[in-house]
Amino acid sequence: GENVEQHPSTLSVQEGDSAVIKCTYSDSASNYFPWYKQELGKRPQLIIDIRSNVGEKKDQRIAVTLNKTAKHFSLHITETQPEDSAVYFCAASRENYGQNFVFGPGTRLSVLP
Amino acid sequence: DSGVTQTPKHLITATGQRVTLRCSPRSGDLSVYWYQQSLDQGLQFLIQYYNGEERAKGNILERFSAQQFPDLHSELNLSSLELGDSALYFCASSVAATGGEETQYFGPGTRLLVL
Repeated sequence: GENVEQHPSTLSVQEGDSAVIKCTYSDSASNYFPWYKQELGKRPQLIIDIRSNVGEKKDQRIAVTLNKTAKHFSLHITETQPEDSAVYFCAASRENYGQNFVFGPGTRLSVLP
Repeated sequence: DSGVTQTPKHLITATGQRVTLRCSPRSGDLSVYWYQQSLDQGLQFLIQYYNGEERAKGNILERFSAQQFPDLHSELNLSSLELGDSALYFCASSVAATGGEETQYFGPGTRLLVL
């Protein structure tokens, strides 16, 4: 089955700097890769996603890149703000596959003022 | 607000007991997923239902079971509870059955504490 690894497990950046979180997956048939942000004690919320027919997607300060050959995808946050501090989870899934989402273990991002 | 509701928000019970967690999906969503998140742990997929039928099973213990009713709400039953079952239990919903390329919207979670 699918296995998703995520690095780093913790990340501290200064406000205004960029943050990059990388995930690798094992199932080459996976074709949907969402990113979720989870603030302390709250639900995971989708912040951006990418499908396998796209190499990069951007939404304001957030971007995701996908390298299907290498089986990895990355989350990029630019001009970080204190409210970006949270745990970020990546996930991988395969269309028409009942096992659906496999999440990475998460990255705790701290944005220091 | 994702539109997914879960009750109760908090639940405190004792070892050996049985509890039921309830989830109502977003309007129009036919799939419901259950996840367990232990302290400082990631999201562990438990089970998926689509339109009343079990669709996929993950790391769900035999002591746990779930069902989805005709009105599409779902219940997760946890029995013979152990201390290690203490966790945050999330429900998520999506439109279709495939589980892939489907955005999942999470409910607020039920925090279970087993004493």
